[in-house]
Amino acid sequence: NTGVTQTPKFRILKIGQSMTLQCTQDMNHNYMYWYRQDPGMGLKLIYYSVGAGITDKGEVPNGYNVSRSTTEDFPLRLELAAPSQTSVYFCASAGIAVQETQYFGPGTRLLVL
Amino acid sequence: QKEVEQNSGPLSVPEGAIASLNCTYSDRGSQSFFWYRQYSGKSPELIMFIYSNGDKEDGRFTAQLNKASQYVSLLIRDSQPSDSATYLCAVNILTTDSWGKLQFGAGTQVVVTP
Repeated sequence: NTGVTQTPKFRILKIGQSMTLQCTQDMNHNYMYWYRQDPGMGLKLIYYSVGAGITDKGEVPNGYNVSRSTTEDFPLRLELAAPSQTSVYFCASAGIAVQETQYFGPGTRLLVL
Repeated sequence: QKEVEQNSGPLSVPEGAIASLNCTYSDRGSQSFFWYRQYSGKSPELIMFIYSNGDKEDGRFTAQLNKASQYVSLLIRDSQPSDSATYLCAVNILTTDSWGKLQFGAGTQVVVTP
């Protein structure tokens, strides 16, 4: 297993542009998550999914959209990028064991200018 | 608003000493608690989880949980320079449909000095 992979590693966007952050996991995990992490801050949950076809909003969903058509993939769509979306984005996945350990991807660093 | 609170640090620890990190949480119904380590520019990696009151030891790390006081801590014994990182406390959020949803604290930065 390679775990959780994310692409791209780094991206610069202009205000108003759109992009999709890709996330794939090969651990057959049901749960998948998108977080953003601003400098010196903890992780804020954007969206999560409990299985293919099922998604729900987290703490900071505005300006983002997700879909989950397969167990493996959970892309995050940014529409009309704004400077406030400059952040590091982490995707994570977890099985349904009692302890619910989340495994993180390497992150995508996004700069909106 | 459910909250997870940590001291931001930095916590400066001499090499070989014990680092003690604290975390408090507001959701009395939380059942599972996690400590993640995050090196600068990297993603969080799990160090330990705990869900029963008391201590849990794994190598140089000990997690301590007190649900009555809503308090979880992490001890790092024999601290090494490689332990210099930010440590994130995470608590599962108890809602009707989200057993797998965590809330993270802002993290405590630990600096181990030779």
